[in-house]
Amino acid sequence: SAVISQKPSRDICQRGTSLTIQCQVDSQVTMMFWYRQQPGQSLTLIATANQGSEATYESGFVIDKFPISRPNLTFSTLTVSNMSPEDSSIYLCSVEGGGFYNEQFFGPGTRLTVL
Amino acid sequence: QKEVEQDPGPLSVPEGAIVSLNCTYSNSAFQYFMWYRQYSRKGPELLMYTYSSGNKEDGRFTAQVDKSSKYISLFIRDSQPSDSATYLCAMSLNFGNEKLTFGTGTRLTIIP
Repeated sequence: SAVISQKPSRDICQRGTSLTIQCQVDSQVTMMFWYRQQPGQSLTLIATANQGSEATYESGFVIDKFPISRPNLTFSTLTVSNMSPEDSSIYLCSVEGGGFYNEQFFGPGTRLTVL
Repeated sequence: QKEVEQDPGPLSVPEGAIVSLNCTYSNSAFQYFMWYRQYSRKGPELLMYTYSSGNKEDGRFTAQVDKSSKYISLFIRDSQPSDSATYLCAMSLNFGNEKLTFGTGTRLTIIP
């Protein structure tokens, strides 16, 4: 299984600022996924990031608010822009695991609080 | 209506009890069903993966899928305090790299 790390693990930010979250994988993967886990809500897919192409965003999420970079096959960043308290959430990246079911493996998450 | 409904709990049971966790879904196109376990301040980890109606057993865990009723279950036998976690059901339309649709998760506590 892939080993995934995320930075930062947590942060407290002021309204109107931006935060960039990093996701690093110990092996090369084609697709990386960014999810949001709001309190009491289900994990929701924000976007899918393929190396060398623009990220594909799910309904309700836009690139201006959540720009994503995917410079190589082991790394991706998600930026949460112009933050408001409603952006307080856990942000998780996941990758294809290459296992028997090609299941997704998740990073530990970044816990974001916006004041 | 949410695509996947899951009772958020919390659910507390004594050690050794049988635990039943359930999800219902509305989209009959879902073909692949997963259960993830998430410990506090950790990312979800895959526990069970099924793709057909019926039962699948792995140690103390049994995953059950009833596509006709659009209902999936996870049973935990001989529950242990280490099973205390949040359990998330997830499902997808296709195999492999694919958007996963999650339930809200059920927080489970096993009381020693």
